[in-house]
Amino acid sequence: GAVVSQHPSRVICKSGTSVKIECRSLDFQATTMFWYRQFPKQSLMLMATSNEGSKATYEQGVEKDKFLINHASLTLSTLTVTSAHPEDSSFYICSAGQGEKLFFGSGTQLSVL
Amino acid sequence: DAKTTQPTSMDCAEGRAANLPCNHSTISGNEYVYWYRQIHSQGPQYIIHGLKNNETNEMASLIITEDRKSSTLILPHATLRDTAVYYCIVRVATGRRALTFGSGTRLQVQP
Repeated sequence: GAVVSQHPSRVICKSGTSVKIECRSLDFQATTMFWYRQFPKQSLMLMATSNEGSKATYEQGVEKDKFLINHASLTLSTLTVTSAHPEDSSFYICSAGQGEKLFFGSGTQLSVL
Repeated sequence: DAKTTQPTSMDCAEGRAANLPCNHSTISGNEYVYWYRQIHSQGPQYIIHGLKNNETNEMASLIITEDRKSSTLILPHATLRDTAVYYCIVRVATGRRALTFGSGTRLQVQP
């Protein structure tokens, strides 16, 4: 199946710093990518839809100024968690679609100290 | 997307078939049944999807009832590596819309 690469897999940062997470579609182009967040023992929650060449669409309750999304090319979307705080600690997962299917990255575990 | 109902958890013996049920009584005519799984601390993995006919691939089989109100994912010979949360999702067949995840079924394969 199609491959979605996500980097880094794990990041630890200090409170107040910013963290960038990259999501790449390796063998296909994706005009749309999706970013999810997952807290321990919970299901995945959609945060935002990343659109190549235009602004991202955020789900209700997700702060667009805190979670900056850039989709500069057909194979790369980035999520930047700005001024991270301990409550932002979570598992972040990206996804991209090819045909009728969505494929997911391996996820990024963010720990904010 | 139509609502789905899955058991919270299931156990299966290693080497035996794992049969995971899903109810989707409000499914629309153009909605497909998708199955994904999430192994601990990894991103979800696509397993299989289908509209009305039974489907089989190298990972699993999908059996959809004739009225399409329920389906069963079958892992023919479960291994310990199949221990995961399995999500049944009903939606139109497109990669341009996000998936909505419910709570899924936690499958524990026992040695």
